[in-house]
Order: sequence, then C-alpha cells, then structure tokens
Amino acid sequence: SAVISQKPSRDICQRGTSLTIQCQVDSQVTMMFWYRQQPGQSLTLIATANQGSEATYESGFVIDKFPISRPNLTFSTLTVSNMSPEDSSIYLCSAGRGDGITEAFFGQGTRLTVV
Amino acid sequence: GQNIDQPTEMTATEGAIVQINCTYQTSGFNGLFWYQQHAGEAPTFLSYNVLDGLEEKGRFSSFLSRSKGYSYLLLKELQMKDSASYLCAVRDSNYQLIWGAGTKLIIKP
Repeated sequence: SAVISQKPSRDICQRGTSLTIQCQVDSQVTMMFWYRQQPGQSLTLIATANQGSEATYESGFVIDKFPISRPNLTFSTLTVSNMSPEDSSIYLCSAGRGDGITEAFFGQGTRLTVV
Repeated sequence: GQNIDQPTEMTATEGAIVQINCTYQTSGFNGLFWYQQHAGEAPTFLSYNVLDGLEEKGRFSSFLSRSKGYSYLLLKELQMKDSASYLCAVRDSNYQLIWGAGTKLIIKP
C-alpha cells in the first residue's frame, strides 16, 4: 500500500483568489489523480496528473482553472484558480501503481470553502 | 454510457449482516473495487474483485459476477463504526475508475 499526505486539510478562501493543494506519496507511483467530491455525492475525476507532461483533464475541467503539476513520481499539486463559491468542495488526491491490479489510495482530502 | 448503480441508503442493526449491491455497465472491465468512506474523510480501500466469485476479508466479503455485471459487499457482525458510505467503482478498458454514487449505511443499536 501507499501513504498519501495531502495538505491543507481545509481552507476558507476569498472568491477570486487561488489555492494550491499538495499531495505527497511515500513511494513512487505511476498514476496520480485529482478528484472533487461534493457533499453527499460520489467522486468526480478532475484530471490525471502525468509525470513530465501535461495533465489529462476530464470533460468539464480545464487547465486554466485547475492547473496541475507533477514534477516527479511522488508529488503533485492541484491549483484551484480564480475561485468562486461553486468551487467549494472536497478535493482528493489519489495514487496507484497503474499495473491494473493495484487498488487506488487516497489522501486525506482538502475541504475548501469559498466565501 | 457508463453507469454504476447502488442503493442510496440502507439501514441495519448492530450485530446483523447486510448486503450492499452494485450493478454496472461499463466500456470494458478491469476490476471492481469497494471503498468505505466515513463522513468528512477520504475513501479507504476495502476489496478488489477481478474474477468471478467471493473474496473474504474478515467481516467483509465481496462477490463478483462479470456476466451479470453485478457485485455485492457483505458486512457481517455489524458494528456501530461500520456506519459510513460504501462506494463501488469499476475500472474500465482505459483503466479509469468509474464511481457509483455510494450507499450510506446506517447502523442502529
């Protein structure tokens, strides 16, 4: 298994500002993912963070709004840019070895409130 | 389209057994996962099925039938701490996880 440290655990931000969420894995992983989870709902994949190349975004999510970095095999960041109250949500980092038989592990999540 | 169905909410009694069902329709299949998520926390891995049959892990078991597009999570000897949401997820042909909406399980004394 892998241990994923995600921070901050929560934040309250002013609209129009940006927040960067960090995700550190204790071992090298191939795949890292960023999810958003609205209260009482399931997970929505934002993007797959690719090491050494641009992230792959899902429909409805764009790089200008959610820039992602993946400088190495153990670390990634997600920035929520120009925030509005609609961005209030829980953001989760996930990682896996990408070998097709490995479960995905999650960070503790970041609870974001935009006021 | 891709779809994962599971009941929204279930209630069970402490010490009893509960079965949470999950049906899926996905483009390809590369495994099915069950996760537990307590309120305000991140999901934690419970089980993984890629072949038909039952996988047992202590009080939790998970079953898969690929031909029926069906899985269930069986929880035995329920404890109050088992009150949580249980998420079913299927890895599709692109190795992407498709998530169900989750089943909120309420345990009563």
